[in-house]
Amino acid sequence: QKEVEQNSGPLSVPEGAIASLNCTYSDRGSQSFFWYRQYSGKSPELIMFIYSNGDKEDGRFTAQLNKASQYVSLLIRDSQPSDSATYLCAVGSYGKLTFGQGTILTVHP
Amino acid sequence: SAVISQKPSRDICQRGTSLTIQCQVDSQVTMMFWYRQQPGQSLTLIATANQGSEATYESGFVIDKFPISRPNLTFSTLTVSNMSPEDSSIYLCSGTGTSGNNEQFFGPGTRLTVL
Repeated sequence: QKEVEQNSGPLSVPEGAIASLNCTYSDRGSQSFFWYRQYSGKSPELIMFIYSNGDKEDGRFTAQLNKASQYVSLLIRDSQPSDSATYLCAVGSYGKLTFGQGTILTVHP
Repeated sequence: SAVISQKPSRDICQRGTSLTIQCQVDSQVTMMFWYRQQPGQSLTLIATANQGSEATYESGFVIDKFPISRPNLTFSTLTVSNMSPEDSSIYLCSGTGTSGNNEQFFGPGTRLTVL
């Protein structure tokens, strides 16, 4: 049973702070790692993907992957109220994704 | 990224009936999937829709309950058969782009309520 676990929420940060979202996975054969954002009543929207160990930056978002520790994280710098959403970690293997349960992030002014 | 549309966007159905959900992609995708997202929960993969052949179902999902078709590269349908209130959920289709990165893009979802 492939499992993806995300840090329990909800997570609340003040505007301008760094939000840190974490995810661990059980399948060592996992090949690709994704972060999705889902606003209430909407479908998931892809934020970032990462394949290799290390950091990957895109604007205010940084994804970090450590395959040895089976750990992937997402950092959101200069958090904005518009970042308030549920963040889903997804782990890919042979094209299929397994999703974590999601972490609710609230950024308060 | 691919643009994916679904219809209907929502429906309210009676117990014992069936509903077919359509998914259309605006460009070619390599793989198409169907997910279920129950209230307050994350996404659970139902099946991979294979072009021109039977879908590949995940554990806990069967073809008799969720028949899936994919007659071409850009279109797929999911039928929820003999519905019960437990089938009330959001059903989402997704497609994998042709970039080789295996990222999936999601349709807007179909919100199904079974009475």
